[in-house]
Amino acid sequence: GENVEQHPSTLSVQEGDSAVIKCTYSDSASNYFPWYKQELGKRPQLIIDIRSNVGEKKDQRIAVTLNKTAKHFSLHITETQPEDSAVYFCAASSDSWGKLQFGAGTQVVVTP
Amino acid sequence: DAGVIQSPRHEVTEMGQEVTLRCKPISGHNSLFWYRQTMMRGLELLIYFNNNVPIDDSGMPEDRFSAKMPNASFSTLKIQPSEPRDSAVYFCASSPTAARAEAFFGQGTRLTVV
Repeated sequence: GENVEQHPSTLSVQEGDSAVIKCTYSDSASNYFPWYKQELGKRPQLIIDIRSNVGEKKDQRIAVTLNKTAKHFSLHITETQPEDSAVYFCAASSDSWGKLQFGAGTQVVVTP
Repeated sequence: DAGVIQSPRHEVTEMGQEVTLRCKPISGHNSLFWYRQTMMRGLELLIYFNNNVPIDDSGMPEDRFSAKMPNASFSTLKIQPSEPRDSAVYFCASSPTAARAEAFFGQGTRLTVV
């Protein structure tokens, strides 16, 4: 089955700096790669996603890149703000039913 | 739409008791997923349904766990008997179709087994 590895496990950045989280996946058939943000005590919420026919996608301060050859994808957050502090999860899906395999998560702390 | 609705939000029960968690997916969504989240194991997929039919239950940890989806608007996850190691946050999520895999999560049920 699919295996997703996520790094780093924790990331501390100064407000205004950029944050980058990287994930690798094992199943070359994976074709959908979402990113979720989970604030303390709340549900995971979809923030951005990318499909295998696209190399990069951007939405305001967040962007995701995908390298199918290397089987890795990354989340980039620019001009970080304190409200970006949360746990971020990457996921991959190769299943025709939409099943997601999640990475272990990255705790991002943005210090003012 | 109110989103995915789970109940109860919190459940505290004694070891050996039966626990039933409930989920109402977003109307029109065809796929429903049950996840368990713990610090040690992260987000684990327990079981998922498509058009009310269980597709893969290989993530269900033991026979003590069972899940049903009697209709498109309701699913249950049951643990009988419960054990302290079942303590976790249980999330239900739904997605529109298999081709559109964006999963939307409910608020979760925090289960504590004492």
